[in-house]
Amino acid sequence: GQQLNQSPQSMFIQEGEDVSMNCTSSSIFNTWLWYKQDPGEGPVLLIALYKAGELTSNGRLTAQFGITRKDSFLNISASIPSDVGIYFCAGRGNSGYALNFGKGTSLLVTP
Amino acid sequence: DGGITQSPKYLFRKEGQNVTLSCEQNLNHDAMYWYRQDPGQGLRLIYYSQIVNDFQKGDIAEGYSVSREKKESFPLTVTSAQKNPTAFYLCASGPSVREGVYEQYFGPGTRLTVT
Repeated sequence: GQQLNQSPQSMFIQEGEDVSMNCTSSSIFNTWLWYKQDPGEGPVLLIALYKAGELTSNGRLTAQFGITRKDSFLNISASIPSDVGIYFCAGRGNSGYALNFGKGTSLLVTP
Repeated sequence: DGGITQSPKYLFRKEGQNVTLSCEQNLNHDAMYWYRQDPGQGLRLIYYSQIVNDFQKGDIAEGYSVSREKKESFPLTVTSAQKNPTAFYLCASGPSVREGVYEQYFGPGTRLTVT
């Protein structure tokens, strides 16, 4: 599978700040998914995107499917301590059944 | 209460032994997947199944085997041929990709330690 480039690798912010992270691919994707993983647990699906340009929100989280179809962005507004975890992007290209995953962005939030 | 269960949460084995990890779902999903996660890495696909009695190798299938005899169950066997079996194993399920939906939902994971 193709590895996605996810950045930044880690973020250390204060409670209340907004957060932005992104994911890029060298090829076109038809689906972008964003997951959050707490330590020792399985990833939880946050947002799914299926159309280029699509902007979707889930509470304080907003994700966008890039117009080029080679990238996606996740924003978290007004961060709180429970936002701590690793955020993964995943995408799927034109063929096959598998998702390709990024290596994750580790988010730490201080009160 | 629908979901995906994996058992056990922690598993310890001696080198040279085969071990089977359990994955059960009651979400009525056609597709099931097994991933391996190593520290600082993304998820790597081991095997996947889109329908009962059918499964395909993922990117790192060597040293692993699966079966899909029931829609609800997709056990993974880590054989003694797997050179570095110690890892966090994640099972996922989702609608069949033939429905045009590619979302996958994960279980809580099994941490396997082989010494």
